[in-house]
Amino acid sequence: QMQLQQWGAGLLKPSETLSLTCAVSGGSFSGFYWTWIRQPPGKGLEWIGDINYSGSTHYNPSVKSRLTISIATSKNQFSLQLTSVTAADAAFYYCARGYASGTYADAFDIWGQGTMVTVSS
Amino acid sequence: DIQMTQSPSSVSASVGDRVTFTCRASQGISHWLAWYQQQPGKAPRLLISAASSLQSGVPSRFSGSGSGTHFTLTISSLQPEDFATYYCQQATSFPYTFGQGTKLEIK
Repeated sequence: QMQLQQWGAGLLKPSETLSLTCAVSGGSFSGFYWTWIRQPPGKGLEWIGDINYSGSTHYNPSVKSRLTISIATSKNQFSLQLTSVTAADAAFYYCARGYASGTYADAFDIWGQGTMVTVSS
Repeated sequence: DIQMTQSPSSVSASVGDRVTFTCRASQGISHWLAWYQQQPGKAPRLLISAASSLQSGVPSRFSGSGSGTHFTLTISSLQPEDFATYYCQQATSFPYTFGQGTKLEIK
């Protein structure tokens, strides 16, 4: 059964770079859209972006200028880097598997455990 | 961006009740809508994709319907483990967007 295990620094200062990695185990790494989603405490969900096995990405315009999502197919891992963080970036960050019946992801069926990211000086 | 609006924002119900949540899209999204359940402190769990397709392992008391701009999630007979927050999500155009959530509380 596929599992997603994520890790990364949970406490950042303003202007620093957020880096998170998600490792995929127990199934095929190809054929899906590997996705990052965040959720400020007590608030709703925000799709950040995704990447496929070929390295093709989609980013949310709200963070596009600061965001890089990359993939390491040899390691079955994908990563998020968000530069110049502010308090507005504080949230639970989840990695997730997006599956597609068509061209792009339809929904997110497997999720990582989440990482709480705090931004404080 | 496509705006997803859920109603109500919260609802109180009892075990055994039938409840229906609504999700409206700001523009037509065909049937590209998913529903998630989130328990406190946990990652969301996918319940339904493509508006009405029940995910494997999800109890049959959950059902989804709708197309275009109006969608519903129904729980036919509430169980104690169903009290959670429910989100809808559109998957027709980037950026994918979620509704603000409906919190289901025990009456």
